Amino acid sequence: NAGVTQTPKFRVLKTGQSMTLLCAQDMNHEYMYWYRQDPGMGLRLIHYSVGEGTTAKGEVPDGYNVSRLKKQNFLLGLESAAPSQTSVYFCASRSHSGTVNTGELFFGEGSRLTVL
Amino acid sequence: QQQVKQSPQSLIVQKGGIPIINCAYENTAFDYFPWYQQFPGKGPALLIAIRPDVSEKKEGRFTISFNKSAKQFSLHIMDSQPGDSATYFCAAYVLWGGSQGNLIFGKGTKLSVKP
Repeated sequence: NAGVTQTPKFRVLKTGQSMTLLCAQDMNHEYMYWYRQDPGMGLRLIHYSVGEGTTAKGEVPDGYNVSRLKKQNFLLGLESAAPSQTSVYFCASRSHSGTVNTGELFFGEGSRLTVL
Repeated sequence: QQQVKQSPQSLIVQKGGIPIINCAYENTAFDYFPWYQQFPGKGPALLIAIRPDVSEKKEGRFTISFNKSAKQFSLHIMDSQPGDSATYFCAAYVLWGGSQGNLIFGKGTKLSVKP
């Protein structure tokens, strides 16, 4: 199993450009998350989804949009990138169906984004 | 009330030492307390987790101690090894409660184990 796969792994953008990060999971998980990780700030939740077709805001949603058109994919978009969005982005997923509710988040390996 | 406060920010120990990382929370509705381990260039991975109805949980060299009345929990690493050098995050959840929430992470502790 691949688990959680993020693409691209690295990207450099200029201020004002747009881009989309793709997260794919092959574990049939209901819940998916996008976090950003910055030095000294830990992991901060940007947006999340509790199922196909649903999304919700997390702690730091401004400047980002998401979509979950298919259960296995969760897209994070930056419409107009800013230097403050330079970060490492992590996608995660977890199961929540019936008795399978361990709470364990499975993370991808991260996407390092630099905005100049 | 949703915060999880983690300390220290960084920790250096000698091989064989017992590093201890502490976390404190306010929300008494939290019912699941995991620790995640992250190596450089990788995503975090679940290390060990505890529910508030037990005071201690051990898995190999890793132990969580939980103090419900003080609203604190800590990670102990016995006989630490250079391979344990990583960033450790504590976290808290309302996982089984009626109003489930999202995982709240501490800010992380960078552990370095010297040979």
